[in-house]
Amino acid sequence: SQTIHQWPATLVQPVGSPLSLECTVEGTSNPNLYWYRQAAGRGLQLLFYSVGIGQISSEVPQNLSASRPQDRQFILSSKKLLLSDSGFYLCAWSDEGERTTEAFFGQGTRLTVV
Amino acid sequence: AQKVTQAQTEISVVEKEDVTLDCVYETRDTTYYLFWYKQPPSGELVFLIRRNSFDEQNEISGRYSWNFQKSTSSFNFTITASQVVDSAVYFCALKEAGTALIFGKGTTLSVSS
Repeated sequence: SQTIHQWPATLVQPVGSPLSLECTVEGTSNPNLYWYRQAAGRGLQLLFYSVGIGQISSEVPQNLSASRPQDRQFILSSKKLLLSDSGFYLCAWSDEGERTTEAFFGQGTRLTVV
Repeated sequence: AQKVTQAQTEISVVEKEDVTLDCVYETRDTTYYLFWYKQPPSGELVFLIRRNSFDEQNEISGRYSWNFQKSTSSFNFTITASQVVDSAVYFCALKEAGTALIFGKGTTLSVSS
């Protein structure tokens, strides 16, 4: 069966520090991968979307970036965090094509920038 | 461009009341998928239902039911005889073929005893 792993679960980082959140998927190949952010009390904002290795669409460029070095690995990064980067970050995967599936979500990372 | 609107920001009901969460979507595609997710206070997203654009049959699962109407571009969600455990944020989402899944802003449902 397919599983998705996202870590860390919580993170407190100072302003100006770098960020690296990692997400891996098991049990499927060539998934669509997503990064979403949820600010406190708000909806889910799509940050990045990838349909394959090295193929990433950015919805909210700002100071965040994403990379997909392997088929089932998706990394969210920042060189210098801002206070406004605080939020709940969710990684997700889905299948496309003959049977488009729902998106399956990781447990999320609660990032607090101080 | 695709868009999902959940006009109800917050809803409060008393246990055993029925409640309907509204979802209106916009898309130019003829092939698309609609979803509902539940986000309890713990934060994880729980998948509830998926519906493709070619299947307008309504669905019932226990106390949950969904009404999909292409004529009004709506995909509403009804909880019958609500319970305290139904308290959560509920998201409606839309996916066109070959694009990312996008979400509405969510509706916070509070069920009191």
